[in-house]
Amino acid sequence: DTGVSQDPRHKITKRGQNVTFRCDPISEHNRLYWYRQTLGQGPEFLTYFQNEAQLEKSRLLSDRFSAERPKGSFSTLEIQRTEQGDSAMYLCASSSPLKRGGTPYNEQFFGPGTRLTVL
Amino acid sequence: AQSVTQPDIHITVSEGASLELRCNYSYGATPYLFWYVQSPGQGLQLLLKYFSGDTLVQGIKGFEAEFKRSQSSFNLRKPSVHWSDAAEYFCAVGAGGGGNKLTFGTGTQLKVEL
Repeated sequence: DTGVSQDPRHKITKRGQNVTFRCDPISEHNRLYWYRQTLGQGPEFLTYFQNEAQLEKSRLLSDRFSAERPKGSFSTLEIQRTEQGDSAMYLCASSSPLKRGGTPYNEQFFGPGTRLTVL
Repeated sequence: AQSVTQPDIHITVSEGASLELRCNYSYGATPYLFWYVQSPGQGLQLLLKYFSGDTLVQGIKGFEAEFKRSQSSFNLRKPSVHWSDAAEYFCAVGAGGGGNKLTFGTGTQLKVEL
């Protein structure tokens, strides 16, 4: 079990540029989550996937943001036309499938995050 | 919609002293409650969770938390703090059903004095 990995760990970009982040979940985890954490705040939910289907998106996810999980394994989060307000830590988490008769909630395992700085 | 309040932004304790971090939640149904710890450069690590049953839950690293429905609280405790416990602590509530997304509080930064 190698844990959730995210790439890159740090990204510095200029306002108006596009950026893409990658998340590799723990293998066989069918759920994958994206969160954003700004300075002094707790993580905020952005979106989540079950397998390849994107099932929920937060209103925080503006039209400039798009997330994909094409084969139900790794996921990408793209931000177009970045703004300084996009500067944050972007966290990815994954969890295993719920089992009938099991606990109603499976632990989310978090990656180390990608820190984005928009100049 | 669910929400979490952590009223203490910073807390400083001496090594060996006891610790209590406060967490209040708002959620219409039975909540799924969590405490996570985040060290610099590290991802969030789950300390403990409450789903149902015994209201006092034990976690890793000697932490425990008590669920009090009447007070809508889920405070984190440790009887004797170690210098390595210095980190940021987040309380979170999970929505059940399909999504299981987490709503986090703003966090409490713990400093440990030697």
